[in-house]
Amino acid sequence: AQSVAQPEDQVNVAEGNPLTVKCTYSVSGNPYLFWYVQYPNRGLQFLLKYITGDNLVKGSYGFEAEFNKSQTSFHLKKPSALVSDSALYFCAVRDATDSWGKLQFGAGTQVVVTP
Amino acid sequence: NAGVTQTPKFQVLKTGQSMTLQCAQDMNHEYMSWYRQDPGMGLRLIHYSVGAGITDQGEVPNGYNVSRSTTEDFPLRLLSAAPSQTSVYFCASSYGRGSYEQYFGPGTRLTVT
Repeated sequence: AQSVAQPEDQVNVAEGNPLTVKCTYSVSGNPYLFWYVQYPNRGLQFLLKYITGDNLVKGSYGFEAEFNKSQTSFHLKKPSALVSDSALYFCAVRDATDSWGKLQFGAGTQVVVTP
Repeated sequence: NAGVTQTPKFQVLKTGQSMTLQCAQDMNHEYMSWYRQDPGMGLRLIHYSVGAGITDQGEVPNGYNVSRSTTEDFPLRLLSAAPSQTSVYFCASSYGRGSYEQYFGPGTRLTVT
């Protein structure tokens, strides 16, 4: 079975400071890892994904994420946060060996960026 | 492209009533799924489909039914609504399984009284 943990319910950061949202995962095989963002009263939007290759993945809106196999982590980062980055962020994992391709989401982390 | 569309946006049901949440996509995506979102629980998979005529259960399938007669449409049926089904429901689609990201609809907010 696959699982995802986002250990922080909320992350508070001042505008201009670095932002990190943590994610750890568990899968039987190799992982496909995703980050999504949800703005209020909207559906989820895809930010970035790790499939294979470089451990540092770059995505939309200046976000990036680092895959660490030994720590089974996939933390989302942004060097300089904006107030407009305030949203709910979800990490998700899919087991590459799962023929049905089911996606498992974490509980989400609320990011609050203050001016 | 309209992407993934869902109707209705809001719905209030009484306990025991049935209804169908509609989902359609115009991207010719093979894979479609339904999730429910509840505070502090993330998104939980209800049912999913890997192609027309092929569906399977997710994590929380009880009380819900799906069918997929066309590539475009993937309706979710609530058979007999219960207050525990009060939630926000999202439909999503992707080109395929594996490494493909999912595209989400805007959601349906359902309240069961």
